[in-house]
Amino acid sequence: QVQLVESGGGLVKPGGSLRLSCTASGFTFSDFYMSWIRQAPGEGLDWVSYINSTGNIIYYADSVKGRFTISRDNAKNSLYLQMNSLRAEDTAVYYCVRAFGPGVGAARYWGQGTLVTVSS
Amino acid sequence: DIVMTQSPDSLAASLGERATINCKSSQSLLYSSNNKTYLGWYQQKPGQPPKLLIYWASTRESGVPDRFSGSGSGTDFTLTISSLQAEDVAIYYCQQYFSTPYTFGQGTKLEIK
Repeated sequence: QVQLVESGGGLVKPGGSLRLSCTASGFTFSDFYMSWIRQAPGEGLDWVSYINSTGNIIYYADSVKGRFTISRDNAKNSLYLQMNSLRAEDTAVYYCVRAFGPGVGAARYWGQGTLVTVSS
Repeated sequence: DIVMTQSPDSLAASLGERATINCKSSQSLLYSSNNKTYLGWYQQKPGQPPKLLIYWASTRESGVPDRFSGSGSGTDFTLTISSLQAEDVAIYYCQQYFSTPYTFGQGTKLEIK
């Protein structure tokens, strides 16, 4: 069965950096686009970034462009999100997701999420 | 950006009753070249990640009870729960994946009356 396990969240000061990781299993990781979606406490859902199967097609939401970098290592079945210049408004649970098909689409599989708190 | 607007923001219905949640997009989600509508519905319970219920506006995910159904076309969509069960208490979101940035509705909180 498909499993997505995020790690790397925590408390960081404004302006700081954090690297999130997502380890995937139960499917051929290298065949699928992968995404990060976040949810601020008590708020709705926000699609942050996606990356295609080979890493040469990448999308960022305007709110994170220039500060966040998505990447993947298909040999390690892993997805990453390097977050720099963090702001209070980046505080959220970050979910690693995979769509129902090989492209982006609707998110069928979700990890349990990792909480990022940006506060002084 | 495509704006997704759900109504109502919250809804209370009795067990066994029909519950209807609406979602309106600021532009059509129908891709004419494949005749597919790029709209999904999710259910989120407290402390859990969202769960995909419906994609392509009306295709039910495997394992989702058939009391859940999605309908609509173009810019107006509906999620219907035909007979509300206690376990359906959750927040429901619609989401468009027609164009980036992929956007979600603000959510509809469903409670039991």
